[in-house]
Amino acid sequence: DAGVIQSPRHEVTEMGQEVTLRCKPISGHDYLFWYRQTMMRGLELLIYFNNNVPIDDSGMPEDRFSAKMPNASFSTLKIQPSEPRDSAVYFCASSLVNTGELFFGEGSRLTVL
Amino acid sequence: GQQVMQIPQYQHVQEGEDFTTYCNSSTTLSNIQWYKQRPGGHPVFLIQLVKSGEVKKQKRLTFQYREEKKNSSLHITATQTTDVGTYFCAGRSSNFGNEKLTFGTGTRLTIIP
Repeated sequence: DAGVIQSPRHEVTEMGQEVTLRCKPISGHDYLFWYRQTMMRGLELLIYFNNNVPIDDSGMPEDRFSAKMPNASFSTLKIQPSEPRDSAVYFCASSLVNTGELFFGEGSRLTVL
Repeated sequence: GQQVMQIPQYQHVQEGEDFTTYCNSSTTLSNIQWYKQRPGGHPVFLIQLVKSGEVKKQKRLTFQYREEKKNSSLHITATQTTDVGTYFCAGRSSNFGNEKLTFGTGTRLTIIP
């Protein structure tokens, strides 16, 4: 079975540019999570969806960040405009139930120059 | 500030020695999960603990959930080079909002062959 699929794996962009990260959760999983990982702040939950509906976006840093889940098999995390402090590894994860284990994608490493 | 702390932050051990990481929460947790992240990789689920005082074993790994449900530990017996990575605990609490899974600060384990 395919796991959680993220793209791109690596992105290098300049400050001010728009960045779009993509995620395909495991088929049948009702929950989708976006996490950000940095050395300073560790793994932070940005937002999560249940059945395509955003449940909690309190971790989204600011209005420059937005996330959508138009259907059960696709989600995007967008940063516009990007800033150097957004440089991090962004993980998407999915789970069957909210209290179950999370299956992480391989992550998208973002570098903003 | 961080709500789920782990100690130590780093641990270097000789191959064959034991290793323990401790997870401490500022609030009572409804359940706790443990994940392992290899260098350059993504977090991978190891186990979930639910009951107060619970102890679970996976080969050389022993997981414990303390009676007060604020603390947990992971002990590895006779470490091997394949154990290298960062070990995260992650807990849920109503105090975290929407029972969000909050990750600990992680313990990075390196093995000296």
